[in-house]
Amino acid sequence: KAGVTQTPRYLIKTRGQQVTLSCSPISGHRSVSWYQQTPGQGLQFLFEYFSETQRNKGNFPGRFSGRQFSNSRSEMNVSTLELGDSALYLCASKEGSTYEQYFGPGTRLTVT
Amino acid sequence: TQLLEQSPQFLSIQEGENLTVYCNSSSVFSSLQWYRQEPGEGPVLLVTVVTGGEVKKLKRLTFQFGDARKDSSLHITAAQPGDTGLYLCAGNYGGSQGNLIFGKGTKLSVKP
Repeated sequence: KAGVTQTPRYLIKTRGQQVTLSCSPISGHRSVSWYQQTPGQGLQFLFEYFSETQRNKGNFPGRFSGRQFSNSRSEMNVSTLELGDSALYLCASKEGSTYEQYFGPGTRLTVT
Repeated sequence: TQLLEQSPQFLSIQEGENLTVYCNSSSVFSSLQWYRQEPGEGPVLLVTVVTGGEVKKLKRLTFQFGDARKDSSLHITAAQPGDTGLYLCAGNYGGSQGNLIFGKGTKLSVKP
């Protein structure tokens, strides 16, 4: 099976803009989770979607949002970008009732 | 707030040496996973442990889950340069839902 794919791999945006990141899970996986990774805070959970519904949400401001489509593909949106949003954004997919999460290569977002 | 303390933060050793990385929490995990991450890439799942006292082996890597399911260790025997990377432990506190809590990671460098 193909792994988790994320597009784009790299993105440079200006403060105040908004951005949309995309994630395609492993075929058959209905759960998609998003994480933010920074050198200072490490990997932090943003939210999880399962069957098009947000199942869990981390402690991030409302500028961070997401959605999942009927084919399990997911998008994450960040509005009004701040310099501190510069990070590696990772998505992970898993089957509904298992523990194992499989990560994509990430999208490196740089906010200038 | 549930925290995962990982130690050591950095480890630089010579090829052939053994090492152990620790992951500790005051909370009980439903499951714990170990990942290895290389720069600019997503974490790659190494193992999932679920049962207290469980020991799993993956070639030269041995993973142990504490009896109380609050701590875990990763032991590498005869480290090789190819083992270089960031090792992350991640705990799941909410059953099989996709919101992992990550430790800050152990950056391992194995020199030839």
